[in-house]
Amino acid sequence: DTGVSQDPRHKITKRGQNVTFRCDPISEHNRLYWYRQTLGQGPEFLTYFQNEAQLEKSRLLSDRFSAERPKGSFSTLEIQRTEQGDSAMYLCASSPRATTQYFGPGTRLTVL
Amino acid sequence: SQQGEEDPQALSIQEGENATMNCSYKTSINNLQWYRQNSGRGLVHLILIRSNEREKHSGRLRVTLDTSKKSSSLLITASRAADTASYFCATENSNSGYALNFGKGTSLLVTP
Repeated sequence: DTGVSQDPRHKITKRGQNVTFRCDPISEHNRLYWYRQTLGQGPEFLTYFQNEAQLEKSRLLSDRFSAERPKGSFSTLEIQRTEQGDSAMYLCASSPRATTQYFGPGTRLTVL
Repeated sequence: SQQGEEDPQALSIQEGENATMNCSYKTSINNLQWYRQNSGRGLVHLILIRSNEREKHSGRLRVTLDTSKKSSSLLITASRAADTASYFCATENSNSGYALNFGKGTSLLVTP
């Protein structure tokens, strides 16, 4: 257990539905990252926050994806109008500075 | 885009044997990191080697870095069944808040 938690661990949804995932980082970490991992691939960077500021979001896969980190604590990743291609593991990581990242267990999304 | 590429994609050995995984990357780096991922779980940081280091040890792990060849290797000595996992190398993207660029990973199977 790295100290980073994600909820839910598994999510099954129907195509077209919206889903939201939550990440709770290690409390003193000001950097928070979201990644997506598909089967047989390494994690792919999506977006990151420094405190409450979202400093990079150009790598979000489409405008259906959005992320927030209110008050610089937990973060949420929302996918609107889900598609089957969104099925993947969504990973959150936090770090105290530009160094080692601590990953959560991930949320596995299945879109039917 | 994925920066690192691991080789081999899959490796099967018996307990007690050594396992060597290689990673190649494309751009200049400040450091290179190795992570382990057990099936369906989050990633765990194993070791970080800085660009001015050539070799680093941590327990049964030995990492080398050759910046002239843009390559790194991870050696696990005296492997155990519990080492069965996927192993990823990762480099940082300083333009994206030091988000990590991962390769596709090496899937290691250690049989008793």
